Formats: sequence, structure tokens, C-alpha cells
Amino acid sequence: DAGITQSPRHKVTETGTPVTLRCHQTENHRYMYWYRQDPGHGLRLIHYSYGVKDTDKGEVSDGYSVSRSKTEDFLLTLESATSSQTSVYFCAISGTSVASTDTQYFGPGTRLTVL
Amino acid sequence: DAKTTQPNSMESNEEEPVHLPCNHSTISGTDYIHWYRQLPSQGPEYVIHGLTSNVNNRMASLAIAEDRKSSTLILHRATLRDAAVYYCILRAGYNYGQNFVFGPGTRLSVLP
Repeated sequence: DAGITQSPRHKVTETGTPVTLRCHQTENHRYMYWYRQDPGHGLRLIHYSYGVKDTDKGEVSDGYSVSRSKTEDFLLTLESATSSQTSVYFCAISGTSVASTDTQYFGPGTRLTVL
Repeated sequence: DAKTTQPNSMESNEEEPVHLPCNHSTISGTDYIHWYRQLPSQGPEYVIHGLTSNVNNRMASLAIAEDRKSSTLILHRATLRDAAVYYCILRAGYNYGQNFVFGPGTRLSVLP
């Protein structure tokens, strides 16, 4: 199994509070991704990183920011959490930029509930 | 990414082979066919991928139709641990920011 951990695994927070989710990898992979998974929507890409301090927006980036100061860590921040951000968040890593043959390895997920 | 169509659910008996179909009639020549699965309460897990020829690995086999408009994921001996949602996805190009388009997939139940 690829060495990917996510923390926390579960979090309950209140509307308006900031929340940071952490993804940590031990594979030294260049590319890292944050997805959210909601019923009826499958997985949707929030942000991704193609190197240290290099990040870009995905399909559903509004309300989220990311940072990557080290190869192994990719942080996802909800500046002011809303109930619509209640979801399961998955981090993924990849060692290649070639999407056609890309194998992404996913973390175990973080279940976030915003009350 | 081009669209794929899979049955919503399938059932299999333990230790029997399972054939999970996927239709992708609008596939282009550069699209690779990927399969991922998601076990309950876990992240998606890579299973296999291929372009034109059939592929085998330790987890499964991938049979690709000659016209590439359909493919079948084959689990040779289903175990209870294979109960999961299986996703068939088409991927192309070199864009590392490309979204993984996970559709609803096929929910596989394995009966003891």
C-alpha cells in the first residue's frame, strides 16, 4: 500500500470556523490532489499540487485553499467552514504527469461534518 | 473524459469468477481504460488499466473488445474482500490536473 495518511480521520466543526486537513505521504511523489466525495457527485477535484509551492485549482475550489511547503505534506484549509462543505475528503498522490497512464493512490479519507 | 456506462449492481458467489462490464462507445484512440474500486469506508484503490490488449495483474484481468467500445474487468475468484464499488474510467492526455471522473460505478456484492 502507498504510504499516505490523512489527519484527522473524522472531524465535527461549526459553521464559520477554520479547518485544516493534512495529507502526508512517504512515497516522495511529485503530484498531490485533494478530492471531495459526495453522494450523487462521485469524486470531485478541489486543488492539486505539481510540486513544492506549486498548486492549482480544480473543479470545486471555491471556499478552499491549499499549501505545500514540503514534498510530503499537502494541507487543505477551509477558511470559514459551511454546511455545504460537509463531505468525505480524499487525498491522492501520483508520480507522473501523464494522465492517460496515471495511477493515483488514495488516502483513507477524512469525514468532515460542519454543523 | 469520455463517458462510461456500468450496471448499478452485481452479485457473485464467493470463489466464483466475476465479470464486470463497462461500455464506452465514444472512446477515442488515445483513451486508456482504468479500473478502480472503493471498499466500504476507504479511498479508491487502483485495480488495472489498459489501452488495446488484454492485461493481467495480481488483482484482476482486463479484457478489451476489439473495437474498444467495451471492456470487462475479471476477478478470477471472488472473495468477500472484493465486495466494493468498481469504477471504469477513461483517461487521456498529459494534463496532471485532470479530474478523475468517477461515475456511480458497479456495486459488487459477494455472497458466502
